[in-house]
Order: sequence, then C-alpha cells, then structure tokens
Amino acid sequence: SQQGEEDPQALSIQEGENATMNCSYKTSINNLQWYRQNSGRGLVHLILIRSNEREKHSGRLRVTLDTSKKSSSLLITASRAADTASYFCATDADGGATNKLIFGTGTLLAVQP
Amino acid sequence: DTGVSQNPRHKITKRGQNVTFRCDPISEHNRLYWYRQTLGQGPEFLTYFQNEAQLEKSRLLSDRFSAERPKGSFSTLEIQRTEQGDSAMYLCASSLAGRRGYGYTFGSGTRLTVV
Repeated sequence: SQQGEEDPQALSIQEGENATMNCSYKTSINNLQWYRQNSGRGLVHLILIRSNEREKHSGRLRVTLDTSKKSSSLLITASRAADTASYFCATDADGGATNKLIFGTGTLLAVQP
Repeated sequence: DTGVSQNPRHKITKRGQNVTFRCDPISEHNRLYWYRQTLGQGPEFLTYFQNEAQLEKSRLLSDRFSAERPKGSFSTLEIQRTEQGDSAMYLCASSLAGRRGYGYTFGSGTRLTVV
C-alpha cells in the first residue's frame, strides 16, 4: 500500500515558470524524501527533510514540511525542459528499524520549451 | 563504483515460466531493497535485506516470489510460474545503515513483460 498521495497527478507548465507539487501522508515520520524518475528509468534522490525541519533548499528546489497536517510540498523554480519527469514523495516511518520508504503516487511534470 | 546495477534491463517471458533478476548494490551499502512499480504508480515495497539477512517481506511478495542476498553482496529476485499480473518494473535500491539522512540509490530497474 502507498503511504502518500500527491497532488496534482499531472502538471504542465512553460519553461521558466515555477512548479509546485504537494504530498500528503498518513503516519508519523522520521523524514520525508523527494525523488525524480525519468520515463522508464530508476528513481533519483533529490532532497530529504527531517521531521523536525520545516523548510529546506537545494539549488532550484525548495521543500516544506508540515507535520501537523502531514503534508509536504516541492517547489521547482525557473523550470527547464530537462525537469520533465515524474516526482515522488517517500516517507521513512518514525520508529521503523528498516528505514523502509513508502512512496506516494507521483506527479507527472511536463515542462514545455 | 558506478552505482546500483540491475540485470537484465528488459525481460519478456511466457506465462508460467520462471524468471530471475539480479541487483548489484553499491559495494559499501549493507541495506538492499526490492520494489515493484506498475505504470502510473509509485514504487511498492517488496522486501528488504540487511547484509545477507532478509528482515522484512511485504504481503505483496507471494510464495511465487523469492529473494536472496548470499554473502550480503548482490541480490536475486526470482518469480516462479509467472502470471500476467507480474508485469511491472522491478527496482532495486541500496543504502547504508546509520546514514538515514541520505536516501536510497536506485538502479535503473528490470522491466518484466509476461505474455
């Protein structure tokens, strides 16, 4: 079963615009991670935010976390055609010994040149 | 070290046949995970190894599925008597225990098509 749900399911924007994706999850977490997946490929780790953090930046990425609402958002600024991919949030459950990640359903981002 | 390697990249098999996939994790990573991903969905957890010990299996992993990680290095995932519903991308990932803040490194996956 999947822990998270992402919104929107699909997003189409023009190059240079910002893209925002949201993730909701169900249980307490140790951390939340965002991954990117190009079509037919494996996933690439983008950024991790711990449960005691509220915001984190990495290059053009900005992630927020609201543990009271069990939600997170990923903002990609100044998007490029190369950002076209599926984006998944994944949660590492609090107290889990395996640090098994549970993935959301993903947002398909299309950046038009 | 070139990351996590999975072989084969693609496998087409007839229903009822057995298939085996291989995953070579990053050499210093002691944790290895198998996930299954169907079209339009996120990856679903199948099983997890720490070194050679299989510590958790999902209910998705029916008795037709078996995974091994001999000597705590590479891992194999075998599916016996394949069914059309087994068609999916099978993803392997690895991580290092104690480095919980660093995420997983995924392989490129093995795409299985059962005809």
